[in-house]
Amino acid sequence: GNSVTQMEGPVTLSEEAFLTINCTYTATGYPSLFWYVQYPGEGLQLLLKATKADDKGSNKGFEATYRKETTSFHLEKGSVQVSDSAVYFCALSGDWSGSEKLVFGKGTKLTVNP
Amino acid sequence: EAGVTQFPSHSVIEKGQTVTLRCDPISGHDNLYWYRRVMGKEIKFLLHFVKESKQDESGMPNNRFLAERTGGTYSTLKVQPAELEDSGVYFCASSQSGQGMETQYFGPGTRLLVL
Repeated sequence: GNSVTQMEGPVTLSEEAFLTINCTYTATGYPSLFWYVQYPGEGLQLLLKATKADDKGSNKGFEATYRKETTSFHLEKGSVQVSDSAVYFCALSGDWSGSEKLVFGKGTKLTVNP
Repeated sequence: EAGVTQFPSHSVIEKGQTVTLRCDPISGHDNLYWYRRVMGKEIKFLLHFVKESKQDESGMPNNRFLAERTGGTYSTLKVQPAELEDSGVYFCASSQSGQGMETQYFGPGTRLLVL
């Protein structure tokens, strides 16, 4: 079945550091890929998405490129801020069955220190 | 526009009791999903409604879980009787119907603790 593997956390960075959170997936067909973020005390929010190979999703300085050849969707940000501290979830949806359910990775907790 | 809301935000019950969680989707969203995150594990899909119909309930763990969406608006998820392993955060999400992958908007979740 479909699955998502993302790097284990927690990740601790200093403000203005470069961030990479790795995400790889296994899926039948051509899934859409997502990054969701959960800030402390809040629900999940869509951060960015990509629906086909080579698409780049971007939002709030974060970027991720849908790489079909390496089945990856790594999240990057050039300069993190304290306000980026949150849990980040990589997810996929859509396969040959037409299911729209999201399949999530375990989440990576990011802490950014001033 | 109001987002997805869930009630209660927290629930602490004893093993064997019944708990009912409620989700109000964004107005006009036909799709409603339930997910669960057990501590330390992935967020896992439970089921998907399209309006009042169950489109996919392949993630429901067992028959102690009953989901309804009467009238195609809000949804309830009842756990009866609750077991210790049911503890976790239950998320609801909604999306519009469309021709492709529509963005799912999540609620804040209900934290359930079964003692």
